[in-house]
Formats: sequence, structure tokens, C-alpha cells
Amino acid sequence: NAGVTQTPKFQVLKTGQSMTLQCAQDMNHEYMSWYRQDPGMGLRLIHYSVGAGITDQGEVPNGYNVSRSTTEDFPLRLLSAAPSQTSVYFCASSIQAGWQPQHFGDGTRLSIL
Amino acid sequence: TQLLEQSPQFLSIQEGENLTVYCNSSSVFSSLQWYRQEPGEGPVLLVTVVTGGEVKKLKRLTFQFGDARKDSSLHITAAQPGDTGLYLCAGDWTNAGKSTFGDGTTLTVKP
Repeated sequence: NAGVTQTPKFQVLKTGQSMTLQCAQDMNHEYMSWYRQDPGMGLRLIHYSVGAGITDQGEVPNGYNVSRSTTEDFPLRLLSAAPSQTSVYFCASSIQAGWQPQHFGDGTRLSIL
Repeated sequence: TQLLEQSPQFLSIQEGENLTVYCNSSSVFSSLQWYRQEPGEGPVLLVTVVTGGEVKKLKRLTFQFGDARKDSSLHITAAQPGDTGLYLCAGDWTNAGKSTFGDGTTLTVKP
């Protein structure tokens, strides 16, 4: 059972480039989310989805897009990378929104030059 | 944006000591979770509390949820070096999926 799988693990981009961070879960979870974690800080919610075809904005959505065409996958797209988006990105899933435990991937470490 | 304040931000203690970390908000939670994160990994859930006044124990860890559901604490008895890590609390005010995390408490337990 792989759980939540994030790819790539590391990425370096130049300012203005675009890219997609992949997230896949094999637990048939309805709820998926993306967070970013900056040094010395907790996780901030970027976007989340309560089911296939449904997405909503979190605390810091600007500069990011998401889609949820299947239950398993929840990609995060950076439209035009900026140095302020240098961070560690975590994807998580849970059975449903609310008090159910979230299962996190190991993160993608992204540097924007 | 709802805020979750964690204290202390950093804590360095000797093996065998006890410690408490706190998570506070001015808003009422529908649920609150505590996670532990090690370097290079994602957070791992320790406990979920949903009922005001609730106390949960996980071996040497004791979690309390305030009666008014606005605050929580994590107490570790006889800390061990293996307890070293970043402890995060996360609250969901709406039960609709918009969890907010505190900035965490970085705990170092020295042998």
C-alpha cells in the first residue's frame, strides 16, 4: 500500500517557468489537499478537494491551480514560478473532510531561482 | 483567516524531563489534531480530539482539549530522544476541509 505519493521529490525552476507537482493516493480517499511549508512555519493550505470534480481555495491559493479529474490524482500547477514560491509542498488525503486523519506524502522540495 | 498559536516555538530538554506544549485560538474548533513531523518527511497524525474536555493518552503522551474547544495541550512524560521532532496542531473550524496549522513546536530531547 503506497499511501500518498508525490513526484518529483526535488525540483529547481527558473522564475517564470511553469510546472506541475504530482500527487496520487491509492486509499480511495475523497478528500485531498495541498500545503506549503516554509522554514520555521507550519503548513499553509493552498487548495483542497472534497471529491472528484470539486476543488476549492485554501489560505494561499494565488499563483497555483488544481484539478481533480479522478479520485486518485490531485496535481498542483505553478503557472509562472516566482522566488516567493520556493518552499516544501505537501499533499495529503483523508477519507473525508473534517476530523478524519490526513495522510501526508513525503513532500516536494521546490526552489525557484 | 483563523489563527492557531502554538507555544513555545522551541523547547530543548534533557531526557527524562516532562514538558507541555500549547495550541490556542480565539475561535471554537469543530475538531483538532496533533501531528509530529520529522526532518524530510510529512507530518504523521498523533491524535484527533473532537469533544470539549476530552483527554486522550498515547503511551507517554497526554492530549487535552479545552472545555470551550478553543485550546489544546500536549504533555509528554519522561521525554526520550526519540520524541525529538516538530509538533504541529491543526484545527478545522468548519468541518468542511479547511484545516489551519499552527507554526509548530520544535522539540529537542538531549540524551
